[in-house]
Amino acid sequence: DTAVSQTPKYLVTQMGNDKSIKCEQNLGHDTMYWYKQDSKKFLKIMFSYNNKELIINETVPNRFSPKSPDKAHLNLHINSLELGDSAVYFCASSQEKAGRGETQYFGPGTRLLVL
Amino acid sequence: AQKVTQAQTEISVVEKEDVTLDCVYETRDTTYYLFWYKQPPSGELVFLIRRNSFDEQNEISGRYSWNFQKSTSSFNFTITASQVVDSAVYFCALSEAFYGGATNKLIFGTGTLLAVQP
Repeated sequence: DTAVSQTPKYLVTQMGNDKSIKCEQNLGHDTMYWYKQDSKKFLKIMFSYNNKELIINETVPNRFSPKSPDKAHLNLHINSLELGDSAVYFCASSQEKAGRGETQYFGPGTRLLVL
Repeated sequence: AQKVTQAQTEISVVEKEDVTLDCVYETRDTTYYLFWYKQPPSGELVFLIRRNSFDEQNEISGRYSWNFQKSTSSFNFTITASQVVDSAVYFCALSEAFYGGATNKLIFGTGTLLAVQP
């Protein structure tokens, strides 16, 4: 009964390739997020979607394109992968209510290694 | 700008010792939310606690307790009688809400690696 799931868990690929990471939540939340954790463990938000609408788009290269087909899914597509994209990518979800900073629940992470 | 500082990069203790992880935050908002997450060696991020800026009561959950002090902008986390299973990276985070509350983003500290030795 995983609340937030991500696939794949590990992704090893060559520079220049295109890859996608999928995220699904079964919590009934209306807001989903992508965070990136670098090699020093620093976590930073990349995107957020509310009811399939892009809300937050931090300074992320446009090689990264999120897509939300419905409230329960938020996918991340990365074009022309670079060495610096190697990181752990976390999906999260929350049920936002008028800016009350609701708890975000995280998926298990996808470990991306670009060779 | 909003910021979270976890000055302790690594802490090592022996089992059964008490340990406090420090968190200091900066924000101009009057309403904000603070969180602690645990990241064990397996890598997932586990939610521990959420606290809003109007509630300064300390909270205790088993061996875990949290001390929130607005006067010093701190939200410290204490583990009593630590155990090896407490070994993890612990993140403090501050929530920044916008777009009419339709979303918020977490500003994370750099984390504190806690190693509990048997």
